[in-house]
Amino acid sequence: DIQMTQSPSSVSASVGDRVNITCRASQGISSWLAWYQQEPGKAPKLLIYPASTLQSGVPSRFSGSGSGTDFTLTIGDLQPEDFATYYCQQANSLPITFGQGTRLEIK
Amino acid sequence: EVQLVESGGGLVQPGGSLRLSCAASGFTFSGFSMNWVRQAPGKGLEWVSYITSSGSTISYANSVKGRFTISRDNAKNSLYLQMNSLRAEDTAIYYCARARKISGSYFFDYWGQGKLVTVSS
Repeated sequence: DIQMTQSPSSVSASVGDRVNITCRASQGISSWLAWYQQEPGKAPKLLIYPASTLQSGVPSRFSGSGSGTDFTLTIGDLQPEDFATYYCQQANSLPITFGQGTRLEIK
Repeated sequence: EVQLVESGGGLVQPGGSLRLSCAASGFTFSGFSMNWVRQAPGKGLEWVSYITSSGSTISYANSVKGRFTISRDNAKNSLYLQMNSLRAEDTAIYYCARARKISGSYFFDYWGQGKLVTVSS
């Protein structure tokens, strides 16, 4: 199975800041990676796939980059609604696997 | 508007069975692969199973293989998950999720609100 490791596990930031969240795959997955946002008590929401394409309706302050084993989610100009947990997911091979999540908290 | 609504969760004893359903609307259900993804309380996301649009191809996570069965009824726009021999570690919120397919890879573009399954005596 492909293991996905996110860092950091949690991060504190302020409104207006820029934040980077990284995801590393245990083996190469080309660009077959997605990012999801999950607010407390809600279902995950697809933000970016594969690797760098914004899902329809997602604000342009979100961006994704990377290929192979190393990927980055960048959130620029943080807004109050961005404070949530973020997950990466590999879709290169079965079983589909997720990172452990990164909790973005308000400083 | 795409909607996915799960039903059928609840409390079940270890070793028991439960069937989850997911009612789909707002899109051509028969044209999409579907998945179940779960999340244990306070934990991360775990993919459970997927089924292709026609039902011809099915796959399971190792943790549920041989105990869970995914199925669909395209005439009823519904997805199902039959869960047998349930264990405490199956306790989770179960989400149905529509798959967006790109070159054979699947991403989950719409999710239901989730249904809690609790396995406890």
